[in-house]
Amino acid sequence: GQQLNQSPQSMFIQEGEDVSMNCTSSSIFNTWLWYKQDPGEGPVLLIALYKAGELTSNGRLTAQFGITRKDSFLNISASIPSDVGIYFCAGLIQGAQKLVFGQGTRLTINP
Amino acid sequence: EPEVTQTPSHQVTQMGQEVILRCVPISNHLYFYWYRQILGQKVEFLVSFYNNEISEKSEIFDDQFSVERPDGSNFTLKIRSTKLEDSAMYFCASTLDRGLTEAFFGQGTRLTVV
Repeated sequence: GQQLNQSPQSMFIQEGEDVSMNCTSSSIFNTWLWYKQDPGEGPVLLIALYKAGELTSNGRLTAQFGITRKDSFLNISASIPSDVGIYFCAGLIQGAQKLVFGQGTRLTINP
Repeated sequence: EPEVTQTPSHQVTQMGQEVILRCVPISNHLYFYWYRQILGQKVEFLVSFYNNEISEKSEIFDDQFSVERPDGSNFTLKIRSTKLEDSAMYFCASTLDRGLTEAFFGQGTRLTVV
C-alpha cells in the first residue's frame, strides 16, 4: 500500500529557530496536505498543495510539492511556543477517497 | 467558521459492547470520513462515504464496523463488539468536493475499551 515516510520523528529546538521537515513516498500523490495536531485535538489543516513544484506560504509556514509528486517539505520560520505540536503530512492519490498520513513530526520548543 | 463536531468526546466501554460514535459534518459537505489514531501513532483511514454509501474502506474496517447517515446532518460509526485494540481516537472528517481534499476534521472521540 501507499506509505508516507516523514522525518524527522521529533525535533527539539530553541524559540526563534527555523524548522524543516519532509515527507517522501514511493507513490505519486496528486495532492499533499500538511496538518498540525495539538494534544487531544483533531488535525488542523495548515497548507494544501495541488501542483507539482508548487510553493505555498501561510504566514511563517512554507511548503513545497516536489516535482516528482513523491515528496514535500514544510518549513516554519522563527518558531514560537505555540508552534509546539505534531505535524503530519498527508497525501491523496487520484481516484482514491482517502488520505494517507505520515508518521508525524513532534516539535518541541525550548523557550 | 463552520466545523465538524463529534460526540461524545470520551467514551469508555466494556469489551464486547457496541458503541456508536456520532459526527455532524459541515452542512454543505458531501463526502464524509472516519479515521482513527491509536495513541502515539499516525492517523489511519477507516472509511469514506458519499451519496449514502461507502466509497472506500481500509482493511481495518471489517465486519464489526458500520457507518450510517441516518438523517441529513449526522454521520455515525458503529462498532458492534468492541475489542481492546479498538481503543483509539476516532476522527470524523468531511469535504465539499471529491477533488478538493481540504478535509476538515472534528476534535475526535477518545474510545477506551476496558
